[in-house]
Amino acid sequence: EAGVTQFPSHSVIEKGQTVTLRCDPISGHDNLYWYRRVMGKEIKFLLHFVKESKQDESGMPNNRFLAERTGGTYSTLKVQPAELEDSGVYFCASSAHRVYGYTFGSGTRLTVV
Amino acid sequence: GIQVEQSPPDLILQEGANSTLRCNFSDSVNNLQWFHQNPWGQLINLFYIPSGTKQNGRLSATTVATERYSLLYISSSQTTDSGVYFCAVQITSYDKVIFGPGTSLSVIP
Repeated sequence: EAGVTQFPSHSVIEKGQTVTLRCDPISGHDNLYWYRRVMGKEIKFLLHFVKESKQDESGMPNNRFLAERTGGTYSTLKVQPAELEDSGVYFCASSAHRVYGYTFGSGTRLTVV
Repeated sequence: GIQVEQSPPDLILQEGANSTLRCNFSDSVNNLQWFHQNPWGQLINLFYIPSGTKQNGRLSATTVATERYSLLYISSSQTTDSGVYFCAVQITSYDKVIFGPGTSLSVIP
């Protein structure tokens, strides 16, 4: 089966611009998660979708971040406007209901200059 | 909430050496995984190991759930093993994954 796919793999944008990251989970996986690792620090949880519903968005840093999962398939994470401290690697993961273990995508490296 | 600690924080190895990375967690967990973030930023799943021992080539892992720790063994290290190794846990299968701070490994020729 295809894994979790993220694109772009790398994005360089200027401060104040908008960027949209996309994640395609493994087909049939209801659970979709966003994480990020900024400035070489720890990997932090951002939010969790179950199908199209936001189950937990406690990790979203502020209202410049907007995540959607229309139709319960792929998800997008929009950063608007981007700030320098948003630079880092954004990971998406998916898991099936009642199946243990996550599968992570390869990540999107975001650089804000 | 649950605390996840990893040691050592940084490690430099000569190529061919062996190493052991440790992960301690403060509460019972339902799931534990080891990941490797390579120098290109990609996060690679190494092991799903809530308990017991598993081996995959030069890597092996052991989790002693009752004592709340897990070990990752790297034998005959290669330069391609460089990167950051993360331990990650879930309290239940419905919870978000909590990552440890990572062990940064550099393997030098």
